[in-house]
Amino acid sequence: QITLKESGPTLVKPTQTLTLTCTLSGFSVINDGMGVGWIRQPPGKALEWLALIYWDDDKRYRPSLKSRLSITKDTSKNQVVLTMTNLDPVDTATYYCARRRGGTVATVFDYWGQGTLVTVSS
Amino acid sequence: DTQMTQSPSSVSASVGDRVTITCRASEGISTWLAWYQQKPGKAPNLLIYSTSRLQSGVPSRFSGSGSGTEFTLTISSLQPDDFATYYCQQANSFPWTFGQGTKVELK
Repeated sequence: QITLKESGPTLVKPTQTLTLTCTLSGFSVINDGMGVGWIRQPPGKALEWLALIYWDDDKRYRPSLKSRLSITKDTSKNQVVLTMTNLDPVDTATYYCARRRGGTVATVFDYWGQGTLVTVSS
Repeated sequence: DTQMTQSPSSVSASVGDRVTITCRASEGISTWLAWYQQKPGKAPNLLIYSTSRLQSGVPSRFSGSGSGTEFTLTISSLQPDDFATYYCQQANSFPWTFGQGTKVELK
């Protein structure tokens, strides 16, 4: 059974750094063609893709946020970690990790975590 | 970035109705388009990828079509479980972008 689960703080102060962990089960991020991404959704708004890490450690970031984001993987724990610096209240959102669907050259996401709501407030 | 625009923003429909949602891309994306369903408080669920390929386990009442810049998601006979918000996503070029969503509500 394939599952992903996000963990991390629910409340972060402005200017602080957010670290979110996605724990994978039922698949490994080092399998050929595999990838894990982060997508966020501000309350009542649309989805916004943030970052993606591939099995070979290649990484992609949303250009507008690239300077603030870092994505890494811990293969021993089968986890993917997203770090976002210099948080602002506009970063308040539910943050999802999701698996990139294999078997296609396109990047779509076939399994998602339940999401974790992060509020940025002093 | 490729902008994705969905229409309508919301649609009111009854069980059994045929519902069509449109997604337009700001530039050509070939057939690299996916559709997701999201229910309140839940993560999105992949319905369709590559414009028309049904994800495993998705009912056949869902279908997708289109190419280039205009795409549609059709629900042939709306069921109670289908009341949700639907998002399109282009997978043609980085950064991958989503539409703003279309909410399907009970009439």
